[in-house]
Amino acid sequence: SAVISQKPSRDICQRGTSLTIQCQVDSQVTMMFWYRQQPGQSLTLIATANQGSEATYESGFVIDKFPISRPNLTFSTLTVSNMSPEDSSIYLCSVQTGALNNEQFFGPGTRLTVL
Amino acid sequence: KNEVEQSPQNLTAQEGEFITINCSYSVGISALHWLQQHPGGGIVSLFMLSSGKKKHGRLIATINIQEKHSSLHITASHPRDSAVYICAVPLIQGAQKLVFGQGTRLTINP
Repeated sequence: SAVISQKPSRDICQRGTSLTIQCQVDSQVTMMFWYRQQPGQSLTLIATANQGSEATYESGFVIDKFPISRPNLTFSTLTVSNMSPEDSSIYLCSVQTGALNNEQFFGPGTRLTVL
Repeated sequence: KNEVEQSPQNLTAQEGEFITINCSYSVGISALHWLQQHPGGGIVSLFMLSSGKKKHGRLIATINIQEKHSSLHITASHPRDSAVYICAVPLIQGAQKLVFGQGTRLTINP
């Protein structure tokens, strides 16, 4: 298993600003993912954070809006840039601990409100 | 049609009742996940299963690969079981990317 922490746990931000969310895992993991959950909706994958290279973004998500870093196998950040109220969501980090094991573990989430 | 559909969307029951939440999916999968999301937003992975049945405490998950259907059961339900329960399957067989159901909001009244 993996224990995941996220910072901040919640934030209220002004329109036009940016917020960086951190995800820390207690062990080295192969895959890290960032998800968004808009109010009343299910989770949607934003991107796969790749260690040492650019993240792989899903359709509808772009690097300029959601830059991601993954400097090592235990840490990643997601930035929500130039925020608007539509970005108000829960942002979750998840990890997969082994190349052959599809089990995913999820972080506690960051609840973002944009005014 | 959604690739993953859950039923019911909302469920309210009295403490002690036996709870069943259903998940149907349309893609071929290698494993299905059941997740629990508490009001604060954090998600806990309950089960990952590819066949048969798994049990953890009062929680039981079953899957029928041929029928593309899974159920999550809670025995002797308790108010602390109140949460949103989500099933998720890989986008394509063997992939790590998950597709999530809309979730079932469970409320257990004392």
